[in-house]
Amino acid sequence: DVKVTQSSRYLVKRTGEKVFLECVQDMDHENMFWYRQDPGLGLRLIYFSYDVKMKEKGDIPEGYSVSREKKERFSLILESASTNQTSMYLCASTQGRYGYTFGSGTRLTVV
Amino acid sequence: AQSVTQPDIHITVSEGASLELRCNYSYGATPYLFWYVQSPGQGLQLLLKYFSGDTLVQGIKGFEAEFKRSQSSFNLRKPSVHWSDAAEYFCAVGLLVGGSQGNLIFGKGTKLSVKP
Repeated sequence: DVKVTQSSRYLVKRTGEKVFLECVQDMDHENMFWYRQDPGLGLRLIYFSYDVKMKEKGDIPEGYSVSREKKERFSLILESASTNQTSMYLCASTQGRYGYTFGSGTRLTVV
Repeated sequence: AQSVTQPDIHITVSEGASLELRCNYSYGATPYLFWYVQSPGQGLQLLLKYFSGDTLVQGIKGFEAEFKRSQSSFNLRKPSVHWSDAAEYFCAVGLLVGGSQGNLIFGKGTKLSVKP
């Protein structure tokens, strides 16, 4: 089975900190995605990538950036964390028509 | 623009009862449709998917879904619910980019509670 691993399940960061959320997949998928999930708002796409060093903005990219230096790793960066970025962050990867495989999520709290 | 609507925010059913979760989509082309389940504090797990062919799709954990083009619907069903099915369920429509799957557009989810 494809595994998508997010490095942290829970994170607590201070306002203004630079935060890195890491995601690694082990099946050589080309496509990777970052979503945030908030109650009542569902999943919203932040950024996605179809190839190494390639990135595309999703629906809510403001305040975030991404990095994809290697095919298996897709990092989400909060340049200066703010309290409104407290959320559950979900990484996913896919190849072809198989649907997404999601990681377990990182619950980030910004204080 | 593509969209997915799950009209029920929260549903409660008794254990052993049948279940139907509704999903309607808006998409200009033939859609690729998915149902995911999320247990508390976890990521999303794929239940089933529809790409083409038979409009009744079987998934894991005894779930099935039926694609009805005329109604733009992809409702999820289970004949007999178990307490372990309590979770949040998300319907999604997939977009193809260059022949490979691109973004998924998700509905806002339906939370399922199961009464003993």
